[in-house]
Order: sequence, then C-alpha cells, then structure tokens
Amino acid sequence: DSGVTQTPKHLITATGQRVTLRCSPRSGDLSVYWYQQSLDQGLQFLIQYYNGEERAKGNILERFSAQQFPDLHSELNLSSLELGDSALYFCASSVLLAGVRNEQFFGPGTRLTVL
Amino acid sequence: AQKITQTQPGMFVQEKEAVTLDCTYDTSDQSYGLFWYKQPSSGEMIFLIYQGSYDEQNATEGRYSLNFQKARKSANLVISASQLGDSAMYFCAMRRGNEKLTFGTGTRLTIIP
Repeated sequence: DSGVTQTPKHLITATGQRVTLRCSPRSGDLSVYWYQQSLDQGLQFLIQYYNGEERAKGNILERFSAQQFPDLHSELNLSSLELGDSALYFCASSVLLAGVRNEQFFGPGTRLTVL
Repeated sequence: AQKITQTQPGMFVQEKEAVTLDCTYDTSDQSYGLFWYKQPSSGEMIFLIYQGSYDEQNATEGRYSLNFQKARKSANLVISASQLGDSAMYFCAMRRGNEKLTFGTGTRLTIIP
C-alpha cells in the first residue's frame, strides 16, 4: 500500500458524460501528479499540482481539468467523454518540490471505461 | 526532450534464473533520476529502484539491481533469482528535478515455472 488513495476504482460511463476522479496523496506529500495509461499512448503525464497550485501540464486535453484543494486532495475532471478516453488514470504524490530523488508514490488507479 | 526506450516488448524467463530488462534514455540534462516500476496484472504501479545521474555506484534493492552505464545512457534492471511473482509489466522512467516522470513503453516479463 503506497498510501495514495484513489476513488472510484472502476468507472463505467457513456460518451458525452462528465466524471470526476479523486485522489488523496500520502500524508505530508504536497505534490500531486496525474497520469493516463492507455493501450495506444502508454503512460502519459497529464498535470502536476504543488500545494494547491498548478505546476506543470503535459498532454492534457482541454476537456480535462484538475485542481488541488486546501486539504491537498486532488480531483481530475473529464468532460464530453469519448471512447478514446477509456484508460487507467493514476494519481501519484511526492513530498518535496525540488530534487530528482523524490520518489513518486502511485495510487491504485481508476479504470475508466467509456461506452 | 527526454525519451526512454525499452526495446523488449516481452520476455520469457525460467524461474530462478536472472533476467535483464533493457532501458536506454536520451536527455541533455546533467542531473536526472532513473526509476523502475513494476505493474502486476492488478494494475498498481510499484516502485522498485532508483538511480541518480551523479550516483557513482549502481543501485541495489534486494533482488533488484540497476546496471547504470552513463556514457551509453543505459539503465538496465537486473532481477536475480526470478520468482513466479515477478511476472508483470516493467517500466523504466526518468525525471528531471521534481518534474513529471517520462516512461518507456514497458516490458512484459513472464516467469515460467
């Protein structure tokens, strides 16, 4: 158990719908990262937050948005869902802002299926 | 831009044998970190081992060791005495500072009893 929690574990929805994925980082971790793992794109970085502020953006679609709340949990919102958005969405957290050694601890992931 | 290459899509190894999973990387940075993660069929990402670009010695964590050859830009994972529970996807990843992890495409390792 990494200490990072993600809910829900599985999500099945229809095209055009909107969903919210939730992540609680490890206690004390200020950085939260979102990754998407799909069969055709592999593991892709979406977005990073540090202590409530957006720090970096990756290949995140405009239909997707995220935020980190004062209690440090984060939510990833996916809207106008398409079949291609079906993927495993990971949240990861780390404790420090600087330094290459900062290990990212991954949550169990949310498996999103868009029908 | 950083890039990670894993050239072995799949490997089959006899139980108790050692296995080497290849990883090469491309970066112009001097300071970076290299990571290996294991993803079993259940889906979670499990951190295995870390190597810093300035580390002079190869990293080791139990049965896992990292064969780091900086000049060749390779960071191969070596698993000694493989076990059935080692069957999983293995991802090599790199990061600069506290930035995102850049992942390779992974190697699916299957341990044969």
